Amino acid sequence: DSGVTQTPKHLITATGQRVTLRCSPRSGDLSVYWYQQSLDQGLQFLIQYYNGEERAKGNILERFSAQQFPDLHSELNLSSLELGDSALYFCASSKVNVLALSSYEQYFGPGTRLTVT
Amino acid sequence: GESVGLHLPTLSVQEGDNSIINCAYSNSASDYFIWYKQESGKGPQFIIDIRSNMDKRQGQRVTVLLNKTVKHLSLQIAATQPGDSAVYFCAETRSGGYNKLIFGAGTRLAVHP
Repeated sequence: DSGVTQTPKHLITATGQRVTLRCSPRSGDLSVYWYQQSLDQGLQFLIQYYNGEERAKGNILERFSAQQFPDLHSELNLSSLELGDSALYFCASSKVNVLALSSYEQYFGPGTRLTVT
Repeated sequence: GESVGLHLPTLSVQEGDNSIINCAYSNSASDYFIWYKQESGKGPQFIIDIRSNMDKRQGQRVTVLLNKTVKHLSLQIAATQPGDSAVYFCAETRSGGYNKLIFGAGTRLAVHP
């Protein structure tokens, strides 16, 4: 158990709908990352938050957004869903030194499997 | 663009043999590398990491080698066990507080009794 929790485990929804995925980081970790894992794209970085602020963006679509709340949990919002959005969505957390001294390992949650029909 | 690739998509080994999984990275600015193991239905699990000021690091039954000259990483698993069967990913990042990981495509390790 990594200490990172994600809900729900599975989500089935229709095209055009909107869903929210939730992540709670490990105790003490201020940084949260979202990744998408699909069969044809592998693990792709979406976005990073540190202590409530967006820090880095990857291949995240305009239809997707995220936020990190004061209690450090994070939500990933996916809207106007398309069939191609079906994937596993992982949240990871780490301690990170934003003064740029070091990187640290990221611990991943169990993921949310999204199926868009 | 930045990319991390793997040479072998599937590796089959006999139980008890040593396994070597290889990875090439393209961003010479990367200075931190991680190997993850992903079992079916689970999230990636941290195995071992290495920083660019090292060329070798050992863990329990695992060793990571880093060759910065040719931008190559390898993961060696000693005495491979059935429980080692999984997909293995290498990932790279560059220190800077952002910690964005770039993952390779993954190698499936199949351990046969």
